Amino acid sequence: NAGVTQTPKFRILKIGQSMTLQCTQDMNHNYMYWYRQDPGMGLKLIYYSVGAGITDKGEVPNGYNVSRSTTEDFPLRLELAAPSQTSVYFCASSELDTQYFGPGTRLTVL
Amino acid sequence: GESVGLHLPTLSVQEGDNSIINCAYSNSASDYFIWYKQESGKGPQFIIDIRSNMDKRQGQRVTVLLNKTVKHLSLQIAATQPGDSAVYFCAENRSNDYKLSFGAGTTVTVRA
Repeated sequence: NAGVTQTPKFRILKIGQSMTLQCTQDMNHNYMYWYRQDPGMGLKLIYYSVGAGITDKGEVPNGYNVSRSTTEDFPLRLELAAPSQTSVYFCASSELDTQYFGPGTRLTVL
Repeated sequence: GESVGLHLPTLSVQEGDNSIINCAYSNSASDYFIWYKQESGKGPQFIIDIRSNMDKRQGQRVTVLLNKTVKHLSLQIAATQPGDSAVYFCAENRSNDYKLSFGAGTTVTVRA
């Protein structure tokens, strides 16, 4: 099993550009999550999903959108990139409590 | 503010010594706690977890202790090795819906 995979690993965006961060898991987990991690800080929940077709906001959802059309995929969309969205983004999945994380996407908005 | 946090942002440990990393929480209704290890440039990696009906749980070289009276969680690493150098996060499930709330992390540095 590959676990949780994320693409791309790195990306630089200009202000106002849009992009989609991809996340795929092969563990057949129902729950999936998107976090952002700012330097020296813990993880903040952006959005989560309890199953295909169901998504909900976390602590810091502004500026982001998600969709969950399949169990495996949970893409995160940034529509109008802002410097405040410079961060490392982690996707995770779980069957119950224990969440398993991907390697992250490092995003810089200039 | 954060209800899950670590007492110290950094910890320096001599190789071979035991490490103790502490974490406080404020929500007495939290029923699940978990420790993650994050190496530089990588995603958090599961170490060990514990439910609120337990006081102690042991893994390979790691032990988690839960003191519900004072709302305190600790991670003990036995015989600390250079590969244990990383940032350690505690997290709690506050709402019984599988969402975790994370503390800011403790950076552990192992001295040779």
